[in-house]
Amino acid sequence: NAGVTQTPKFRILKIGQSMTLQCAQDMNHNYMYWYRQDPGMGLKLIYYSVGAGITDKGEVPNGYNVSRSTTEDFPLRLELAAPSQTSVYFCASSRLSSNQPQHFGDGTRLSIL
Amino acid sequence: DQQVKQNSPSLSVQEGRISILNCDYTNSMFDYFLWYKKYPAEGPTFLISISSIKDKNEDGRFTVFLNKSAKHLSLHIVPSQPGDSAVYFCAASATTDSWGKLQFGAGTQVVVTP
Repeated sequence: NAGVTQTPKFRILKIGQSMTLQCAQDMNHNYMYWYRQDPGMGLKLIYYSVGAGITDKGEVPNGYNVSRSTTEDFPLRLELAAPSQTSVYFCASSRLSSNQPQHFGDGTRLSIL
Repeated sequence: DQQVKQNSPSLSVQEGRISILNCDYTNSMFDYFLWYKKYPAEGPTFLISISSIKDKNEDGRFTVFLNKSAKHLSLHIVPSQPGDSAVYFCAASATTDSWGKLQFGAGTQVVVTP
């Protein structure tokens, strides 16, 4: 009964480093999403995917990249990490696009120093 | 431009009393609304939703009311319990906007006191 699994839970990066945040779901959901949450703010959509091989930008995509080679996995890549990318990152998935709740992982807390 | 607003960052309520959380939206295309609950160090958990064809949806202690003309929705928790202490997010989407993208409010921290 894993649902949406995110790794790692915590990470500290230096400015300019790169890393990949992992997200996997075992519910056979077609739709997957990456959000970031800054303190005192709501979640903002970074990228989303509607199926393997299909991705698109959300509200705040700059500095990030994604890929979707399988239905289960949706990794988020940070290239040249910047302090502004310090945030908590959440991955979510849903079965359909319309009128269906999204199911979230427990997040990755990322600090860029 | 924030399309979903939760103007009360925090709410304190006594155990057993009613909690009322409010949410306003500006985009008239939104037609599906959700409430999520979030504990520290966990991801948001889906609580309850409502489609714009309804004005009320109830699930146990949780009821969501939708006032489309005022672009306002509210979540009622009756009775409030200590385990309800969490951050509550309102979210909205438009079925005409494909792919189910959600817009979130900033959240309301609820503290239920004994």
